[in-house]
Amino acid sequence: SQTIHQWPATLVQPVGSPLSLECTVEGTSNPNLYWYRQAAGRGLQLLFYSVGIGQISSEVPQNLSASRPQDRQFILSSKKLLLSDSGFYLCAWRGAGSNQPQHFGDGTRLSIL
Amino acid sequence: RKEVEQDPGPFNVPEGATVAFNCTYSNSASQSFFWYRQDCRKEPKLLMSVYSSGNEDGRFTAQLNRASQYISLLIRDSKLSDSATYLCVVTSAVQTPLLFFGTGTRLTVIP
Repeated sequence: SQTIHQWPATLVQPVGSPLSLECTVEGTSNPNLYWYRQAAGRGLQLLFYSVGIGQISSEVPQNLSASRPQDRQFILSSKKLLLSDSGFYLCAWRGAGSNQPQHFGDGTRLSIL
Repeated sequence: RKEVEQDPGPFNVPEGATVAFNCTYSNSASQSFFWYRQDCRKEPKLLMSVYSSGNEDGRFTAQLNRASQYISLLIRDSKLSDSATYLCVVTSAVQTPLLFFGTGTRLTVIP
């Protein structure tokens, strides 16, 4: 069966520090991969998605970037974090086919001080 | 106009009640539809897919109305454990990997 791993679960970082969140998927090949952010009490905001290695689509311009160095690995990065980057970051995967749902990782709760 | 719209609630219902949520979508050519459940400070989890003919999973019934472009979720005999935020999700009409999430409807089941 397919599983998705996302880490760390919680992260506290100072303003201006770098960020790297990693997500890996097991049990499937060539998944679509996604990064979302959710502010407290708000809906999901799609940040990036990827349909293959090295292919990244950005939905919201900001100081974050994403990379997909391997088929089942998706990384969210920032060179300098802002206070507004605080939130709940979720990685998700989806199989090929328009009738497939998304499956989410456990999420990373990021607090910027 | 948002792709997906939901009543944010909150819905506060007593145990054992029946509650229904509706969700409207803007693109008439959307292909697939889902309901997700999100507990506080947790990730969204797939509750059920929504099929054209409607489908049921235990106490949960999902319906799709393509003519009016809405989907619904009915929960019968509400349990305390049903308290959560319910997210409506719609796929794009074209062959893209995007799904569109509603902002969610919050349900609290009261003892």
